Amino acid sequence: GENVEQHPSTLSVQEGDSAVIKCTYSDSASNYFPWYKQELGKRPQLIIDIRSNVGEKKDQRIAVTLNKTAKHFSLHITETQPEDSAVYFCAASKSRGSQGNLIFGKGTKLSVKP
Amino acid sequence: DSGVTQTPKHLITATGQRVTLRCSPRSGDLSVYWYQQSLDQGLQFLIQYYNGEERAKGNILERFSAQQFPDLHSELNLSSLELGDSALYFCASSVTSGGAEQFFGPGTRLTVL
Repeated sequence: GENVEQHPSTLSVQEGDSAVIKCTYSDSASNYFPWYKQELGKRPQLIIDIRSNVGEKKDQRIAVTLNKTAKHFSLHITETQPEDSAVYFCAASKSRGSQGNLIFGKGTKLSVKP
Repeated sequence: DSGVTQTPKHLITATGQRVTLRCSPRSGDLSVYWYQQSLDQGLQFLIQYYNGEERAKGNILERFSAQQFPDLHSELNLSSLELGDSALYFCASSVTSGGAEQFFGPGTRLTVL
């Protein structure tokens, strides 16, 4: 089955710096890759996603890139702010047909120091 | 607020007991997914329902079962509870069965003593 590896497990940056989180997946049939942000004690929140027919997607300070050949995708956060501090999860899914369960990475704890 | 609701927020029970967790999806969403989040295992997919039918199963224990009702709310039943079942249980919903754009509820924190 699908396996998603996520690195690093912790990341500390200064406010204003950029942060990059990387994930690799094993199943070449996966075609949907969302990123979730989870603050302590809260629900995972979908912040951005990308499908396999797209190489890059941006939404304000957040961008995601996908390399299908290498089977990895990355989250880029620019101009980080203290409120970006949270645990970020990547996931992969074979989002077609009648099944769409997400396989998650182990998470990256991002700390943004003011 | 994602529009997905879950009850109860917290549940404390004893080993061997049975509990039921409830989830109401966003208006218009037909798919419901259940996930378990524990410190050592991360977010693990349990089961998916779409418009009342089971569509996918993950590493769900035989002691656990779920169903989706005609009004599309879903219930996750956990029986013969063990200490290791203590975790956060999330449900998520999406419009289609394909799994894109899943929105999570606030979760139910289960503590088994």
